[in-house]
Parts: sequence; structure tokens; C-alpha cells
Amino acid sequence: QITLKESGPTLVKPTQTLTLTCTFSGFSLSTTRVGVGWIRQPPGKALEWLALIYWDDDRRYSPSLRNRLTITKDTSKNQVLLTMTDMDPVDTATYYCVHRPRLMTGTTYFDYWGQGTLVTVSS
Amino acid sequence: QSVLTQPPSVSGAPGQRVTISCAGSSSNIGAHFDVQWYQQLPGKAPKLLIYGNSNRPSGVPDRFSASKSGTSASLAITGLQAEDEADYYCQSYDSSLSAYVVFGGGTKLTVL
Repeated sequence: QITLKESGPTLVKPTQTLTLTCTFSGFSLSTTRVGVGWIRQPPGKALEWLALIYWDDDRRYSPSLRNRLTITKDTSKNQVLLTMTDMDPVDTATYYCVHRPRLMTGTTYFDYWGQGTLVTVSS
Repeated sequence: QSVLTQPPSVSGAPGQRVTISCAGSSSNIGAHFDVQWYQQLPGKAPKLLIYGNSNRPSGVPDRFSASKSGTSASLAITGLQAEDEADYYCQSYDSSLSAYVVFGGGTKLTVL
């Protein structure tokens, strides 16, 4: 059974750096073609994909946020970290950790989602 | 501004059939990349509803179906039930420099 759980601060100040941790179980991020990603959703708004890291450490980022994001993995701990620099109130959102199953290149979807963690950016 | 375009809202009475459209472009849906659909119940995390254009994960009722044609896709829900009231999102892969994983803006389904 695959589970993912997000953890991190619930409140950050503008200009600070946010670091979120996704702790997962039920799969290994060393399995070929598996990935873990992050998606966020501002209150009352749509889903926005942020980043994705693959089993082979290939990393993909949202073009609009590329300069602010870093995704890393610790396979031994079953964790994926996301850092986002220079936080702004518009970054207030629920941040979801997601599992990408073993798919061929050229397609991606997310079959398991964490419960999400609400991060508020405010001074 | 989402890369994929969905109507903000649709509605239908119990038992009816509704469809939700998802319009893309030649760099995503039109480039033969698969379309997925997610259902987000109020206050919950999204759930994968359809993958690979028309495939249902185990446990998803066959009242939900989807198709793709050209640069657009659609989700159909038949025999509408009260518990179907939710937000629905389409998602695809984009090969342009401006995007990678792309979502639609979401559609709120109201069961009258």
C-alpha cells in the first residue's frame, strides 16, 4: 500500500525559504521509472504542478517557478524534499506530494496523493 | 492562466449525464500525449479518476468515462449521483519549453 505524507512549516514569512518533506512508503524511489512530485493548490484555485524527481535523479520543474525550486531525494530514508525560495503571500497554498508510477517516457500522471499541507505566507 | 482550458462549472440532475471538456493545443493533447482526469471532493486531496485517456483505475465506477480527439478531451459522467459533486481536473504532458506537466483550471460539478 502506497502512502505519502507531507510535513513542514505551516507559516512562513515573506522572503523566507520553505522546505517541505514528503515521507513515503509502499514503494522505492530506486525503482526504474518511478517518480515523486509536488503539486500545490492555492485556496479556492486550481492545481499547479511544481516539480518531479525520478528514480535516476532526473529532475523537472515548472518553468514559471524553476528559479525558486529545488527537489531532492533521500532514497534510504524514503523522503523527497522540496525547497522554495523567496516566499510570497501568493505562494499560500496546500502543497501535495504525489507518486508517479512506472510509466514510459512521454507520459506522466499521479496515482497516489498525500493529504496535503497548508502553507501560509504572512508576516 | 492554465495551459488546458476547462469550463468553470457544469451541473446536472441526479441520474442525468454530464460532460466536462478539456481543451489543449498541439504541444500537449494534440501531440498525442495522454490525458488524465482527477476528482477532488470538497476538502480532500485529488484522486486519479481516468488515466491514459480512457482507463479507469480499480474502484472507479464505470459511470465515469473519458475520450480524446484532436487537441481536446472530455470526461463523461452518467447516472449522476449526489456524491459526484466535486471539482474535476484534466492533466496532460506538454512538450513545449513553457511547460511539462500541465493541468486544466478545474470544473466544479454541481448535482442539482
